[in-house]
Amino acid sequence: NAGVTQTPKFRILKIGQSMTLQCTQDMNHNYMYWYRQDPGMGLKLIYYSVGAGITDKGEVPNGYNVSRSTTEDFPLRLELAAPSQTSVYFCASSYSFSDDQPQHFGDGTRLSIL
Amino acid sequence: AQSVTQPDIHITVSEGASLELRCNYSYGATPYLFWYVQSPGQGLQLLLKYFSGDTLVQGIKGFEAEFKRSQSSFNLRKPSVHWSDAAEYFCAVGPGTYKYIFGTGTRLKVLA
Repeated sequence: NAGVTQTPKFRILKIGQSMTLQCTQDMNHNYMYWYRQDPGMGLKLIYYSVGAGITDKGEVPNGYNVSRSTTEDFPLRLELAAPSQTSVYFCASSYSFSDDQPQHFGDGTRLSIL
Repeated sequence: AQSVTQPDIHITVSEGASLELRCNYSYGATPYLFWYVQSPGQGLQLLLKYFSGDTLVQGIKGFEAEFKRSQSSFNLRKPSVHWSDAAEYFCAVGPGTYKYIFGTGTRLKVLA
C-alpha cells in the first residue's frame, strides 16, 4: 500500500499566488488531517475531516481552505499566499476518530512563499 | 490547559550509548500517549503508544517508553543507540482540543 501520498514535495510561491496541496490515501480511512510544522513549534492542526463532505477547522485554519469530496482525497487550498505560510505541510489519516488510533502521515510538502 | 512539553530541543549521544528522551504532559484525565519519529525529509512514523495497562510499552526499532502518572511523564528510552536513530522525535497526547497535541520535538544526533 502507498499509504498517504502528498504532492508536490516542494514548491516555491510568490506572495499572492494560490495553490492546492494534494493528499490522497488508499487505506480507506475516514479521518484525515492537515498539519503545518514550523521549526521549534511542533505540529499544528489546520483542518480535519471525519468523512466525505464533512470538514472542520483545527487550531490554525486562517488562510486555508479544504474540501473532501471523496474518502481518498483531502486537498488543502491556499488562496492568497503569504510569507507566514512558509512551512512544511503534512497530511495524515486514521481509521477512526478514536483517541487510541494512531495517525498515518505523508512525507510532507515543503512550501516557501517569497 | 492540555499540553505536551519536550524539554530537550537537541540531544547528542554516541553510538552504542543509552538514550532517554523526556516528555511531560498536562491533562485532566488518563491520556493516550504516543511517540513518533521523523527522519529527514519524511513524515512521522509511530514508534509506540500507551492507552492503559502495563505502564512500560515496547515499540518498534528497539524503543520503549514508561508512563509515570505521578510525574505526568512518558519518557522514551533505548538501551543502545544506532546511527540510524538520528532523527526528530515527537511526543503526542490525545484526546486534546484538536484531538492530538504534539510536543515541539527533540532532535537526536548520534556520534560515530
